[in-house]
Amino acid sequence: NAGVTQTPKFRVLKTGQSMTLLCAQDMNHEYMYWYRQDPGMGLRLIHYSVGEGTTAKGEVPDGYNVSRLKKQNFLLGLESAAPSQTSVYFCASSYPRRAAGAQETQYFGPGTRLLVL
Amino acid sequence: DAKTTQPTSMDCAEGRAANLPCNHSTISGNEYVYWYRQIHSQGPQYIIHGLKNNETNEMASLIITEDRKSSTLILPHATLRDTAVYYCIVSALYNFNKFYFGSGTKLNVKP
Repeated sequence: NAGVTQTPKFRVLKTGQSMTLLCAQDMNHEYMYWYRQDPGMGLRLIHYSVGEGTTAKGEVPDGYNVSRLKKQNFLLGLESAAPSQTSVYFCASSYPRRAAGAQETQYFGPGTRLLVL
Repeated sequence: DAKTTQPTSMDCAEGRAANLPCNHSTISGNEYVYWYRQIHSQGPQYIIHGLKNNETNEMASLIITEDRKSSTLILPHATLRDTAVYYCIVSALYNFNKFYFGSGTKLNVKP
């Protein structure tokens, strides 16, 4: 199992450029998440998905779009990059609750470092 | 989801127990306490979680107070590789496992 993988590992963009970050998981997880982490801060939830074809907004969704066309993939798009979007982006996945009273953990990818000039 | 409060940083001598506190005074009955750590900007790594009983696994122990308003993560024999930022997260049972991270505690394990 590769777990959660992210592509690319690092990218430099100019202001106004667009790009897509890819997250893939091979654990057959229903739920997937995109977070961003700014220097010295904790992770903040951008968008999440509870199944193929469904997405929802998290804490900081502005400036980002997402798609979940396949269960194993979750794409994060920046249509017009801004310097404020310079950050490290982490993807995560988890099972939904599988048993009464149970709670599931999230598994994180290695991150994508994005610099917007 | 309930917010958490953690000290900004802590030091621990190698080989000693590291006790990391977390305050979650507004926790509700269906919210779990999770601990994750992040080593040098890698993706966060799961450590342990619990609802109201104390929990132990191969990595750590989690002690939750009876009123559930605070908890302590215990690393029984800290090593230099345990130097990381430790996040205490409270997550409700029916919110699609969403996590809200605070700033965490930077644990410095010293030789």
